[in-house]
Amino acid sequence: DVKVTQSSRYLVKRTGEKVFLECVQDMDHENMFWYRQDPGLGLRLIYFSYDVKMKEKGDIPEGYSVSREKKERFSLILESASTNQTSMYLCASSLRVSVRETQYFGPGTRLLVL
Amino acid sequence: GDSVTQMEGPVTLSEEAFLTINCTYTATGYPSLFWYVQYPGEGLQLLLKATKADDKGSNKGFEATYRKETTSFHLEKGSVQVSDSAVYFCALSAAQKLVFGQGTRLTINP
Repeated sequence: DVKVTQSSRYLVKRTGEKVFLECVQDMDHENMFWYRQDPGLGLRLIYFSYDVKMKEKGDIPEGYSVSREKKERFSLILESASTNQTSMYLCASSLRVSVRETQYFGPGTRLLVL
Repeated sequence: GDSVTQMEGPVTLSEEAFLTINCTYTATGYPSLFWYVQYPGEGLQLLLKATKADDKGSNKGFEATYRKETTSFHLEKGSVQVSDSAVYFCALSAAQKLVFGQGTRLTINP
């Protein structure tokens, strides 16, 4: 079974702090994704990566950056956390670039920024 | 741009009732269509998918048919159980990205 793990289930940070969210997948998938989930808005794509050291902006990249130094690991960075970044963050991976590919999700990190 | 619109919730049903959650989409090209489910406290998991027109995806008693003429992918189940209580997301795959609907919260009462 594909396993996608996220470093924390819950995080509480203060405004202005730098925040790192980490995601690891164990199935040698090429693609990795970061989404945020907010009530009534579904999931919105922040960034994705289709290869090591490659990244592409999603629909809402402002205030975020990412890092993919190894194939299995994809990090989301909030350079200076703000209260409007309080949300559930979900990481996902897929085997290859194709419209038919299933994305596999981690359990999510619920971030509260005070 | 590509978009997905799904039935607003919350939806509350009694056990063994028939379920329909509507999903329509707007897309250029030939997307694949997905239903994902999120159980309380968990991430999303694939429920079913269809990759071309007239395909029917099915899993755990749930079904959905890819209807190109009506741009729809409605989720159905003939007899729901309490364990089906979750949030359901319809999504389409465009190029490398998934585009999600806003989610429908389903509660099944015994």
